[in-house]
Amino acid sequence: GENVEQHPSTLSVQEGDSAVIKCTYSDSASNYFPWYKQELGKGPQLIIDIRSNVGEKKDQRIAVTLNKTAKHFSLHITETQPEDSAVYFCAASIDSSYKLIFGSGTRLLVRP
Amino acid sequence: DTAVSQTPKYLVTQMGNDKSIKCEQNLGHDTMYWYKQDSKKFLKIMFSYNNKELIINETVPNRFSPKSPDKAHLNLHINSLELGDSAVYFCASSSGQGSSYEQYFGPGTRLTVT
Repeated sequence: GENVEQHPSTLSVQEGDSAVIKCTYSDSASNYFPWYKQELGKGPQLIIDIRSNVGEKKDQRIAVTLNKTAKHFSLHITETQPEDSAVYFCAASIDSSYKLIFGSGTRLLVRP
Repeated sequence: DTAVSQTPKYLVTQMGNDKSIKCEQNLGHDTMYWYKQDSKKFLKIMFSYNNKELIINETVPNRFSPKSPDKAHLNLHINSLELGDSAVYFCASSSGQGSSYEQYFGPGTRLTVT
């Protein structure tokens, strides 16, 4: 079955710096790759997603890139702010399946 | 209005007891899920339901029995609770068929088994 690996497990950056989180997936049939942000005591919330027919997607300070050949995808956050501090999860799934496989999470700390 | 709600938010119980967690969504979604998040934050799918029909049962022990009385509700009943069941359980919902749609998560239920 699908397996998603996520690195790093923790990431500490200075406010204003960029943060990059990387994921790899095992099932080449996966074609949907969302990123979720989980704040303390809350459920995960979608921040951006990308489908396999697109190599890059950007939404303000957040961007995601996908390399289908290498089965890698990454989350890039620019100009980080303290409110970006949270746990971030990547995930992968096959369209028409009902199963979203999550990475192990990255705890991001943005130091003021 | 809360899109996906869960009750209770906290649940403390002893081993061997039976407990239920309720989930309701007011988004009009067709698909609902239960996830388990352990102490290391690993988030794992347990069940997926579409239009009240079980689609995915991710090798969950049969002590866990989901029930969907209608499209807006997906409850989770757990029999004979064990220490290893301690975790945060999240309900989620999405529109459309399949998993390539945004999932809206509830606030979670923290279950502690003593």
